[in-house]
Amino acid sequence: DAKTTQPPSMDCAEGRAANLPCNHSTISGNEYVYWYRQIHSQGPQYIIHGLKNNETNEMASLIITEDRKSSTLILPHATLRDTAVYYCIVRVGGTSYGKLTFGQGTILTVHP
Amino acid sequence: DVKVTQSSRYLVKRTGEKVFLECVQDMDHENMFWYRQDPGLGLRLIYFSYDVKMKEKGDIPEGYSVSREKKERFSLILESASTNQTSMYLCASGSAGRGAKETQYFGPGTRLLVL
Repeated sequence: DAKTTQPPSMDCAEGRAANLPCNHSTISGNEYVYWYRQIHSQGPQYIIHGLKNNETNEMASLIITEDRKSSTLILPHATLRDTAVYYCIVRVGGTSYGKLTFGQGTILTVHP
Repeated sequence: DVKVTQSSRYLVKRTGEKVFLECVQDMDHENMFWYRQDPGLGLRLIYFSYDVKMKEKGDIPEGYSVSREKKERFSLILESASTNQTSMYLCASGSAGRGAKETQYFGPGTRLLVL
C-alpha cells in the first residue's frame, strides 16, 4: 500500500469547514484513498473513500487532485463531536481483504 | 448501517488467565479481523478469517488463537494472559465482494488490562 503523509494536528472552529490534507505521491492506479477517524477510546469509523472523482456522503466530501497525488477531506460544518484522529489510507480498492495500516493521522481539534 | 459489536468495552484480568473476546457482526460479512492498537505502534493485525472455520495469522499471532464457528462471530482467545497483552483490541469485518464500498468496519473496541 502507498505511504501517506498528513499534518500531525489541526484546529478548527465549530461550525466552520475543516479541510484535512493528505499526500500520497506514490499512489498506484488501482489504489483508492480511504479516510477513517477515531474518536478517543473508540474504534475507527469509516468516513469515505474514492478513486479519482470527488465524492460526497452524509459525513464528508473527498477532493482528489487530478494527478491523484494528494487529497483533502472536508467536514463542511465541524462540530465538537468531530474532534478525533483522522487517518488517510491508500490501498487497493474494492475489497476488505488484507490488513489496514494506519499512519500517525491528523489530530483534529474542534473548539467552540 | 454496518454494526460490529464486541462483548466488553473494558476488561481486567490477571496474569495466566484465559481470556475470551467476542465479536459479532450483523452484515453477513465473510471477512473478519482482530487487531490490537497500542500508543506509538498503531494498528497491528493479529488474526483474520475469510470464512467459517478458516483463519489466517496476521503480523502478531503469538499468544493468541481465534475461533470462527459461525459466520457472524469471531472470537479472540488469549490462552494465558500476560501483562504485555494489555491493549485496545479491535474487531473489524468486511465483505468479500469486490464492490465499490468494500472496506473494513470496526467495533467499539475492548480495552484489556492484564494485572
